[in-house]
Amino acid sequence: EAGVAQSPRYKIIEKRQSVAFWCNPISGHATLYWYQQILGQGPKLLIQFQNNGVVDDSQLPKDRFSAERLKGVDSTLKIQPAKLEDSAVYLCASSLGPGTGNTIYFGEGSWLTVV
Amino acid sequence: AQSVTQLGSHVSVSEGALVLLRCNYSSSVPPYLFWYVQYPNQGLQLLLKYTSAATLVKGINGFEAEFKKSETSFHLTKPSAHMSDAAEYFCAVSDLSGGFKTIFGAGTRLFVKA
Repeated sequence: EAGVAQSPRYKIIEKRQSVAFWCNPISGHATLYWYQQILGQGPKLLIQFQNNGVVDDSQLPKDRFSAERLKGVDSTLKIQPAKLEDSAVYLCASSLGPGTGNTIYFGEGSWLTVV
Repeated sequence: AQSVTQLGSHVSVSEGALVLLRCNYSSSVPPYLFWYVQYPNQGLQLLLKYTSAATLVKGINGFEAEFKKSETSFHLTKPSAHMSDAAEYFCAVSDLSGGFKTIFGAGTRLFVKA
């Protein structure tokens, strides 16, 4: 079974530039998550989708971050304009459903460095 | 709101020694609890989870964790450490009061000495 796919794996951009990350979840998984993991910290949930609807985006900096999940499958996370503090690993994950007992499966992450 | 505290950002053990990684949670309702492991340059992988069945949960790679409601703890243990266990370990909690969000702790990096 294919896992969660993310691209690109690594990206270096200058501040105020834009960047987009793509994610393809495990087939059949209705719930998709984007987490931000800053070096030395645990993952922080940015946004959670159930199919193509947003369940939670309370910690998404909406002035610069946006995400969409068209057709309830693939998802894109965009940052525009980027700031130095956005340097982090962006983890996409998916699960069968949003239930509290569901296992979350993570991709390998997209490493962003803002200089 | 639920939260997770992992005691010790770094833990070092000798190969063959007991591994103990500590996790305390805060939740106003019965929680679901998880341990994930992250190897360098990889995403997180589930080690084990507690979903209100048996309080002693066995996971992959010889790890296990015990849910203790009275202590609000979910510590991770392994009787004998291997070099391959060196990684970062994250405790996580999810419950109804948090709207089904999974909240992760700050992580504990495990070092295994030969």
